Amino acid sequence: SQQGEEDPQALSIQEGENATMNCSYKTSINNLQWYRQNSGRGLVHLILIRSNEREKHSGRLRVTLDTSKKSSSLLITASRAADTASYFCATDGAGTALIFGKGTTLSVSS
Amino acid sequence: DTAVSQTPKYLVTQMGNDKSIKCEQNLGHDTMYWYKQDSKKFLKIMFSYNNKELIINETVPNRFSPKSPDKAHLNLHINSLELGDSAVYFCASSQARYSPLHFGNGTRLTVT
Repeated sequence: SQQGEEDPQALSIQEGENATMNCSYKTSINNLQWYRQNSGRGLVHLILIRSNEREKHSGRLRVTLDTSKKSSSLLITASRAADTASYFCATDGAGTALIFGKGTTLSVSS
Repeated sequence: DTAVSQTPKYLVTQMGNDKSIKCEQNLGHDTMYWYKQDSKKFLKIMFSYNNKELIINETVPNRFSPKSPDKAHLNLHINSLELGDSAVYFCASSQARYSPLHFGNGTRLTVT
């Protein structure tokens, strides 16, 4: 089934460093979304990028999309301890709801 | 005001029991969903409802049944609970099928 796969599974960095997470998917999409999940909480939508867009920014977040490689990346600049969470990409497809990847667990230490 | 609220937050029960999880959204969204998150954090779509009509029913056991009394509510009923049903269940809503999802904070179900 169509599904995003995030890479790496886990990432540990220091405050102030940049964090990059990657997502690969299998079939054509209309849009790709990134979500954050703090421990014990529901997922929170971060950003949506459409298939005809290549890059999108929101605050310290930068998302890129390469439809030819079926991949996307999420860059968090100047990470903070509060960015510690799991990050998921989600893709759509004809006749389905959003399908989520397995997530990247980001740990930012001060 | 909480946009998507689900109750209870924790549910501990024994095998064979029947239980329900309630979900309500006050966002005026047309579509609601149930997702299951396992111990490895993998999220799997279970059901979605659009204007009270079931539009997706993934390959989940028929022991699971969604019920939507109105557009703002989507409850999940589970019959004859099994150990493998232990997971965190998330309710979510969206304006349209592929619009950004708004999630509740989850119900952690533990079957003993």
